[in-house]
Amino acid sequence: DIQMTQSPSSLSASVGDRVTITCRASQSISNYLNWYQQKPGKAPKLLIYAASSLQSGVPSRFSGSGSGTDFTLIISSLQPEDFATYCCQQNYGTPWTFGQGTKVEIK
Amino acid sequence: QVQLQESGPGLVKPSETLSLTCTVSGYSISSDYYWGWIRQPPGKGLEWIGTIYHSGSTYYNPSLKSRVTISVDTSKNQFSLRLTSVTAADTAVYYCARHIITQYNWFDPWGQGTLVTVSS
Repeated sequence: DIQMTQSPSSLSASVGDRVTITCRASQSISNYLNWYQQKPGKAPKLLIYAASSLQSGVPSRFSGSGSGTDFTLIISSLQPEDFATYCCQQNYGTPWTFGQGTKVEIK
Repeated sequence: QVQLQESGPGLVKPSETLSLTCTVSGYSISSDYYWGWIRQPPGKGLEWIGTIYHSGSTYYNPSLKSRVTISVDTSKNQFSLRLTSVTAADTAVYYCARHIITQYNWFDPWGQGTLVTVSS
């Protein structure tokens, strides 16, 4: 199985901060990488697919980049509604696997 | 828009079978698309369980394949998950989601999830 490792596991930030979350794959997955946002008690939400394609309706402050084994999710200016857990998912090969998540907390 | 809602018992005894149903609204699952189950144990990451096509073709995570069955009922616009011989390790929030499969694939949208606890 392809292992997905995120860093950091949690971070504290303030509204307006630029936030960077990293996801590393255990082997090259080209750009077969998705990002999701999770809030407690809510349905997870797709933010980005194919490493850098923004899902329809997702604010442009979210962006993704990377290829191969290293990927990044950037929130350019953190908003109150962005405090959540973010996780990556590889779709290069089955079984589809997820990172363990990065929790973004209020500083 | 497409919405999904999981339903089923919140408590299952060890060695018994976990059964959940996902009801889809806003879209006829017999039309197209794949539909998947994902779970998240407390404090852990998400784990893909399996996916079913509207025609009934299934794809399972090898780690669970011997215990999992996913089925579809197009007349009720539902798909279901059965997981046999459960243990405490199967305690998790279970999500259903539409599984978009093209050159790439992703899960969107998701249901809110339902917590299933395995305990006697």
